[in-house]
Amino acid sequence: QKEVEQDPGPLSVPEGAIVSLNCTYSNSAFQYFMWYRQYSRKGPELLMYTYSSGNKEDGRFTAQVDKSSKYISLFIRDSQPSDSATYLCARMTGRRALTFGSGTRLQVQP
Amino acid sequence: SQTIHQWPATLVQPVGSPLSLECTVEGTSNPNLYWYRQAAGRGLQLLFYSVGIGQISSEVPQNLSASRPQDRQFILSSKKLLLSDSGFYLCAWVRPGTGAEELFFGEGSRLTVL
Repeated sequence: QKEVEQDPGPLSVPEGAIVSLNCTYSNSAFQYFMWYRQYSRKGPELLMYTYSSGNKEDGRFTAQVDKSSKYISLFIRDSQPSDSATYLCARMTGRRALTFGSGTRLQVQP
Repeated sequence: SQTIHQWPATLVQPVGSPLSLECTVEGTSNPNLYWYRQAAGRGLQLLFYSVGIGQISSEVPQNLSASRPQDRQFILSSKKLLLSDSGFYLCAWVRPGTGAEELFFGEGSRLTVL
């Protein structure tokens, strides 16, 4: 079983929609969870990370961790065409190690 | 501000040829440095990380090696490339004394082995 699972998509939404991206994970020894955004042929860009359970908000982005169900979510409000990218979730599996999901491709249609 | 540079951005190499990818971080000292590989449709795989000059930890035994000849320079090498070495190679860094919760990636080097 993969440690972090993501639906590969693509997920296509109209501009202005609320987007929900999700991951599940299988172990939880470390409590840091991250979301990265990766544009085509570019390196991943850290959007935000959360520690333990609960929500964290940064502008139009909200990250949510539900430890009881081992679920990680990223919500994007008022989605824009510039949000079209692949979104990678990750969790810390050691102080220096991250395990990544394979990414969900998002397309925001203008 | 800190920046990370990788080169070359793209390369096509024949099977059996050598490889050298370079990564340099500017604007910080003693960063922890990483090499990841991203295969098509798959997640990022950690290959090597380094906490200091000459200190390399290998996460996956394979046809690749890494070296850190200077504080802010990280090199990924191979003596003889295999077809399976094709992929998108990403260098990353974190501030000294921090964990991997804030990992910053370079722009990547896309390798095609023919």
